[in-house]
Amino acid sequence: QLVLTQSPSASASLGASVKLTCTLSSGHSNYAIAWHQQQPTKGPRYLMKVNSDGSHSKGDGIPDRFSGSSSGTERYLTISRLQSEDEADYYCQTWVTGIHYVFGSGTKVTVL
Amino acid sequence: QVQLLESGGGLVKTGGSLRLACAASGFSFSDYHMSWIRQAPGKGLEWISYISTSGSPIDYVDSVKGRFTISRDNAKKSLYLQMNSLRVEDTAVYYCARTFYSHGYYLDYWGQGILVTVFS
Repeated sequence: QLVLTQSPSASASLGASVKLTCTLSSGHSNYAIAWHQQQPTKGPRYLMKVNSDGSHSKGDGIPDRFSGSSSGTERYLTISRLQSEDEADYYCQTWVTGIHYVFGSGTKVTVL
Repeated sequence: QVQLLESGGGLVKTGGSLRLACAASGFSFSDYHMSWIRQAPGKGLEWISYISTSGSPIDYVDSVKGRFTISRDNAKKSLYLQMNSLRVEDTAVYYCARTFYSHGYYLDYWGQGILVTVFS
């Protein structure tokens, strides 16, 4: 069974960087994932897809401050030059055969 | 620009029904698979249903199978979710989302969501 694991929270100072991790369960190191941002009281927004080789493709209008990378079963989202509007919940998402989408539990990012 | 706008939510008693709609604009609706995802109050995201471009295949999460029905009208650029036999645990914000395929299925545009509240 494919499970995506995320830390509940992360924080960093305004203007600093933060790196979020989404861990795929054992045996699924070749899976890509997508990152989604959900600002308070808003619907989610697609940020990017991160492949197992670390390549990533961003959604429309996503700033360069957002980047993705990969190592083994871990997929990362790095936010550089943190801004107040980056304070949000971040979810990773993938899919399994049978067209079932799987979400991580989300990481709440606080900008200090 | 791509827009997805949900409607049809509201307050309903347990055992009742609601039909959600999602109006799409800014893209060729018939070329994209679509999904419904929900988020219970204070909780994370849960995928509940998927429909392909042509209307088949379709799939559901186990907890809604037999109660919810997804459908689409490509001519009207609309996605629907018929929800029957509603339970308190179906209370959530419901989002429609566009799906793209790139060596896997991913969600690249989301609506703003519509609240469904089921009371006993």
